[in-house]
Amino acid sequence: DAKTTQPPSMDCAEGRAANLPCNHSTISGNEYVYWYRQIHSQGPQYIIHGLKNNETNEMASLIITEDRKSSTLILPHATLRDTAVYYCIVWRNQGGKLIFGQGTELSVKP
Amino acid sequence: EADIYQTPRYLVIGTGKKITLECSQTMGHDKMYWYQQDPGMELHLIHYSYGVNSTEKGDLSSESTVSRIRTEHFPLTLESARPSHTSQYLCASSPPGYSTNTGELFFGEGSRLTVL
Repeated sequence: DAKTTQPPSMDCAEGRAANLPCNHSTISGNEYVYWYRQIHSQGPQYIIHGLKNNETNEMASLIITEDRKSSTLILPHATLRDTAVYYCIVWRNQGGKLIFGQGTELSVKP
Repeated sequence: EADIYQTPRYLVIGTGKKITLECSQTMGHDKMYWYQQDPGMELHLIHYSYGVNSTEKGDLSSESTVSRIRTEHFPLTLESARPSHTSQYLCASSPPGYSTNTGELFFGEGSRLTVL
């Protein structure tokens, strides 16, 4: 599975958009981009995933560049409860193991 | 709400004891996983299973063992616990292979093990 690179930490003001970047320059054509988050030491929570097209759900938006070498997770209106570690993972559907890296620790501040 | 359950949530035991951490899911998922996570550290995959009678070791070597006799049940066992086994153990499952979202893992709340 392709490796990902994320900044170790980011801050965001409450109510503003949080934009979390991820580089995955070695991604293969059949690999998806998945995002998870982990609040405190709870089990990670699935957020969103995509292959080529941008995706949006009730939690976030996922923007994938045309060459698929990077992506951005957008939390449109961050709240204090969005403070968590966010993981970007590339995953080959129907195969492989989901490997979590170090992620980005997002701190949403009042 | 994910239908995956772990017991016990917290366990404090002495060195040398045998322990089993239970994990059950009611979603009919074929794939199940065990991750280990020390406080403030990364999650490490220690075991996974693609279905009944299938078990594989993950990327982090672990002295624990697992079994998969029933689809819904994936227990983890430590035959002789040591202080180095103190950690949080997280169980997860994922949808069947024919799904388009097999990377969507559903996690339990975790079992925090402390070995004295």
